[in-house]
Amino acid sequence: AQSVAQPEDQVNVAEGNPLTVKCTYSVSGNPYLFWYVQYPNRGLQFLLKYITGDNLVKGSYGFEAEFNKSQTSFHLKKPSALVSDSALYFCAVRGVTGGFKTIFGAGTRLFVKA
Amino acid sequence: DTGVSQDPRHKITKRGQNVTFRCDPISEHNRLYWYRQTLGQGPEFLTYFQNEAQLEKSRLLSDRFSAERPKGSFSTLEIQRTEQGDSAMYLCASSWLAGGTDTQYFGPGTRLTVL
Repeated sequence: AQSVAQPEDQVNVAEGNPLTVKCTYSVSGNPYLFWYVQYPNRGLQFLLKYITGDNLVKGSYGFEAEFNKSQTSFHLKKPSALVSDSALYFCAVRGVTGGFKTIFGAGTRLFVKA
Repeated sequence: DTGVSQDPRHKITKRGQNVTFRCDPISEHNRLYWYRQTLGQGPEFLTYFQNEAQLEKSRLLSDRFSAERPKGSFSTLEIQRTEQGDSAMYLCASSWLAGGTDTQYFGPGTRLTVL
Protein backbone atom coordinates (compact mmCIF):
# COMPACT_ATOMS: atom_id res chain seq x y z
CA ALA A 1 0.00 0.00 0.00
CA GLN A 2 1.13 3.53 -0.74
CA SER A 3 1.71 5.96 2.11
CA VAL A 4 3.29 9.31 2.82
CA ALA A 5 4.59 10.62 6.12
CA GLN A 6 5.29 14.22 6.97
CA PRO A 7 6.81 13.88 10.43
CA GLU A 8 6.55 17.54 11.42
CA ASP A 9 3.21 19.23 11.97
CA GLN A 10 4.91 22.63 11.92
CA VAL A 11 8.28 24.03 10.91
CA ASN A 12 9.44 27.41 12.18
CA VAL A 13 12.24 29.31 10.47
CA ALA A 14 13.52 32.85 10.44
CA GLU A 15 13.33 34.85 7.23
CA GLY A 16 16.52 34.50 5.23
CA ASN A 17 17.42 31.14 6.73
CA PRO A 18 17.26 27.89 4.79
CA LEU A 19 14.21 25.73 5.26
CA THR A 20 13.52 22.02 4.98
CA VAL A 21 10.14 20.30 5.08
CA LYS A 22 10.47 16.55 5.41
CA CYS A 23 8.64 13.81 3.57
CA THR A 24 9.08 10.04 3.47
CA TYR A 25 7.06 7.65 1.37
CA SER A 26 6.24 4.01 0.83
CA VAL A 27 5.23 2.65 -2.55
CA SER A 28 5.66 -0.53 -4.53
CA GLY A 29 8.18 0.01 -7.26
CA ASN A 30 9.30 3.41 -8.44
CA PRO A 31 7.49 6.52 -7.24
CA TYR A 32 6.21 9.71 -8.72
CA LEU A 33 6.55 12.37 -6.01
CA PHE A 34 4.94 15.78 -5.72
CA TRP A 35 4.90 18.84 -3.50
CA TYR A 36 1.91 21.16 -3.24
CA VAL A 37 1.35 24.33 -1.21
CA GLN A 38 -1.93 25.57 0.20
CA TYR A 39 -2.49 29.17 1.20
CA PRO A 40 -5.48 30.15 3.37
CA ASN A 41 -8.77 30.07 1.48
CA ARG A 42 -7.04 28.98 -1.71
CA GLY A 43 -6.68 25.69 -3.53
CA LEU A 44 -3.59 23.54 -3.61
CA GLN A 45 -0.88 24.85 -5.90
CA PHE A 46 1.65 22.60 -7.59
CA LEU A 47 5.28 23.29 -6.65
CA LEU A 48 7.36 20.52 -8.20
CA LYS A 49 7.52 16.84 -9.04
CA TYR A 50 10.00 14.01 -9.40
CA ILE A 51 9.49 11.49 -12.18
CA THR A 52 12.93 10.17 -13.02
CA GLY A 53 16.45 11.37 -13.63
CA ASP A 54 18.26 13.98 -11.56
CA ASN A 55 17.56 13.53 -7.88
CA LEU A 56 17.43 17.30 -7.30
CA VAL A 57 14.27 18.80 -8.68
CA LYS A 58 13.71 22.54 -8.98
CA GLY A 59 10.27 24.05 -8.82
CA SER A 60 8.28 27.23 -8.39
CA TYR A 61 9.11 30.15 -6.08
CA GLY A 62 12.71 29.02 -5.55
CA PHE A 63 11.79 25.68 -3.98
CA GLU A 64 13.64 22.46 -4.70
CA ALA A 65 13.39 18.89 -3.48
CA GLU A 66 15.82 16.05 -3.24
CA PHE A 67 14.80 12.49 -4.03
CA ASN A 68 16.66 9.88 -1.98
CA LYS A 69 15.71 6.37 -3.00
CA SER A 70 17.64 4.57 -0.27
CA GLN A 71 15.99 6.66 2.45
CA THR A 72 12.65 6.81 0.61
CA SER A 73 12.58 10.54 1.20
CA PHE A 74 11.66 13.60 -0.82
CA HIS A 75 12.43 16.62 1.35
CA LEU A 76 11.43 20.11 0.24
CA LYS A 77 14.06 22.81 0.57
CA LYS A 78 14.64 26.48 -0.05
CA PRO A 79 17.95 28.27 0.50
CA SER A 80 16.45 31.48 1.89
CA ALA A 81 12.95 31.59 3.39
CA LEU A 82 10.51 34.45 2.88
CA VAL A 83 7.67 35.47 5.18
CA SER A 84 5.37 34.92 2.19
CA ASP A 85 6.39 31.23 2.14
CA SER A 86 4.31 30.71 5.28
CA ALA A 87 1.66 28.19 4.26
CA LEU A 88 0.63 24.53 4.46
CA TYR A 89 2.77 22.14 2.43
CA PHE A 90 1.72 18.70 1.23
CA CYS A 91 3.85 15.89 -0.09
CA ALA A 92 2.19 13.31 -2.36
CA VAL A 93 3.16 10.01 -3.95
CA ARG A 94 1.89 7.82 -6.73
CA GLY A 95 3.31 4.51 -7.89
CA VAL A 96 4.57 4.22 -11.44
CA THR A 97 2.40 1.14 -11.72
CA GLY A 98 -1.01 0.48 -10.26
CA GLY A 99 -3.20 3.30 -11.46
CA PHE A 100 -3.32 7.02 -10.85
CA LYS A 101 -4.43 7.14 -7.22
CA THR A 102 -2.36 9.79 -5.48
CA ILE A 103 -1.75 9.68 -1.74
CA PHE A 104 -1.16 12.91 0.17
CA GLY A 105 0.57 13.44 3.48
CA ALA A 106 -1.17 15.17 6.36
CA GLY A 107 0.67 18.41 5.66
CA THR A 108 3.30 20.54 7.36
CA ARG A 109 2.62 24.11 8.33
CA LEU A 110 5.57 26.36 7.60
CA PHE A 111 5.85 29.53 9.63
CA VAL A 112 8.51 32.04 8.57
CA LYS A 113 9.04 34.88 11.01
CA ALA A 114 10.49 38.24 10.04
CA ASP B 1 -9.59 32.54 -15.75
CA THR B 2 -8.60 29.21 -17.25
CA GLY B 3 -8.08 27.29 -14.02
CA VAL B 4 -10.21 24.59 -12.43
CA SER B 5 -13.49 25.96 -11.11
CA GLN B 6 -15.90 24.47 -8.60
CA ASP B 7 -19.46 25.36 -7.74
CA PRO B 8 -20.74 26.11 -5.19
CA ARG B 9 -17.88 27.27 -3.00
CA HIS B 10 -19.90 26.68 0.14
CA LYS B 11 -22.88 24.47 0.87
CA ILE B 12 -24.78 24.14 4.11
CA THR B 13 -27.37 21.40 4.26
CA LYS B 14 -29.39 19.44 6.75
CA ARG B 15 -28.67 15.82 7.50
CA GLY B 16 -30.50 13.53 5.13
CA GLN B 17 -30.59 15.95 2.20
CA ASN B 18 -28.91 15.33 -1.13
CA VAL B 19 -26.23 17.65 -2.47
CA THR B 20 -24.49 17.95 -5.82
CA PHE B 21 -21.22 19.66 -6.59
CA ARG B 22 -19.84 20.63 -9.97
CA CYS B 23 -16.28 20.80 -11.24
CA ASP B 24 -15.17 22.40 -14.50
CA PRO B 25 -11.64 21.29 -15.37
CA ILE B 26 -9.05 23.08 -17.43
CA SER B 27 -10.42 22.71 -20.93
CA GLU B 28 -7.74 20.54 -22.55
CA HIS B 29 -7.33 18.22 -19.56
CA ASN B 30 -8.51 14.63 -20.00
CA ARG B 31 -8.20 13.47 -16.40
CA LEU B 32 -10.34 14.63 -13.50
CA TYR B 33 -10.00 13.75 -9.83
CA TRP B 34 -12.16 14.19 -6.73
CA TYR B 35 -10.70 14.41 -3.23
CA ARG B 36 -12.07 15.05 0.23
CA GLN B 37 -10.11 17.08 2.77
CA THR B 38 -10.92 17.40 6.45
CA LEU B 39 -9.32 19.80 8.90
CA GLY B 40 -5.73 18.94 9.66
CA GLN B 41 -5.50 16.28 6.97
CA GLY B 42 -4.27 16.05 3.44
CA PRO B 43 -6.62 15.42 0.54
CA GLU B 44 -8.03 11.89 0.43
CA PHE B 45 -8.54 10.35 -2.98
CA LEU B 46 -12.17 9.59 -3.87
CA THR B 47 -12.26 8.85 -7.59
CA TYR B 48 -10.86 9.78 -10.97
CA PHE B 49 -11.95 9.89 -14.59
CA GLN B 50 -10.12 9.63 -17.83
CA ASN B 51 -12.34 11.40 -20.30
CA GLU B 52 -15.83 10.13 -19.43
CA ALA B 53 -14.70 6.81 -17.95
CA GLN B 54 -14.54 6.45 -14.19
CA LEU B 55 -11.41 4.34 -13.76
CA GLU B 56 -10.91 4.08 -10.03
CA LYS B 57 -12.96 4.59 -6.90
CA SER B 58 -11.78 4.68 -3.32
CA ARG B 59 -13.36 2.51 -0.67
CA LEU B 60 -14.14 5.87 1.00
CA LEU B 61 -16.73 6.37 -1.73
CA SER B 62 -19.74 4.69 -0.18
CA ASP B 63 -22.89 3.90 -2.13
CA ARG B 64 -24.26 7.31 -1.09
CA PHE B 65 -21.63 8.97 -3.27
CA SER B 66 -21.74 9.02 -7.04
CA ALA B 67 -19.67 10.89 -9.57
CA GLU B 68 -20.20 11.43 -13.26
CA ARG B 69 -18.36 13.07 -16.07
CA PRO B 70 -20.68 13.11 -19.07
CA LYS B 71 -18.96 13.80 -22.38
CA GLY B 72 -15.61 14.00 -20.65
CA SER B 73 -15.94 17.66 -19.72
CA PHE B 74 -17.37 18.87 -16.41
CA SER B 75 -17.98 16.47 -13.55
CA THR B 76 -20.54 16.24 -10.78
CA LEU B 77 -20.23 14.66 -7.36
CA GLU B 78 -23.51 13.80 -5.63
CA ILE B 79 -23.90 12.83 -2.01
CA GLN B 80 -27.24 11.30 -1.09
CA ARG B 81 -28.71 11.25 2.43
CA THR B 82 -25.92 13.41 3.81
CA GLU B 83 -24.50 12.68 7.24
CA GLN B 84 -22.61 14.96 9.59
CA GLY B 85 -19.45 12.97 8.86
CA ASP B 86 -19.65 14.14 5.26
CA SER B 87 -18.76 17.67 6.35
CA ALA B 88 -15.47 18.43 4.61
CA MET B 89 -13.86 20.30 1.77
CA TYR B 90 -14.39 18.56 -1.56
CA LEU B 91 -11.60 19.22 -4.02
CA CYS B 92 -11.48 18.68 -7.73
CA ALA B 93 -8.31 18.48 -9.79
CA SER B 94 -7.63 18.03 -13.48
CA SER B 95 -4.61 17.00 -15.48
CA TRP B 96 -3.26 16.06 -18.87
CA LEU B 97 -1.36 12.82 -19.17
CA ALA B 98 2.03 13.39 -20.77
CA GLY B 99 5.36 11.63 -20.48
CA GLY B 100 3.97 8.80 -18.37
CA THR B 101 2.55 10.91 -15.60
CA ASP B 102 0.41 13.95 -15.02
CA THR B 103 0.41 17.02 -12.82
CA GLN B 104 -2.87 17.72 -11.09
CA TYR B 105 -4.17 21.28 -10.88
CA PHE B 106 -6.68 21.89 -8.13
CA GLY B 107 -9.79 23.97 -7.90
CA PRO B 108 -10.66 26.11 -4.86
CA GLY B 109 -12.91 23.42 -3.38
CA THR B 110 -16.49 23.20 -2.14
CA ARG B 111 -16.87 23.35 1.61
CA LEU B 112 -19.78 21.21 2.78
CA THR B 113 -21.34 21.64 6.21
CA VAL B 114 -23.98 19.12 7.25
CA LEU B 115 -26.09 20.24 10.20
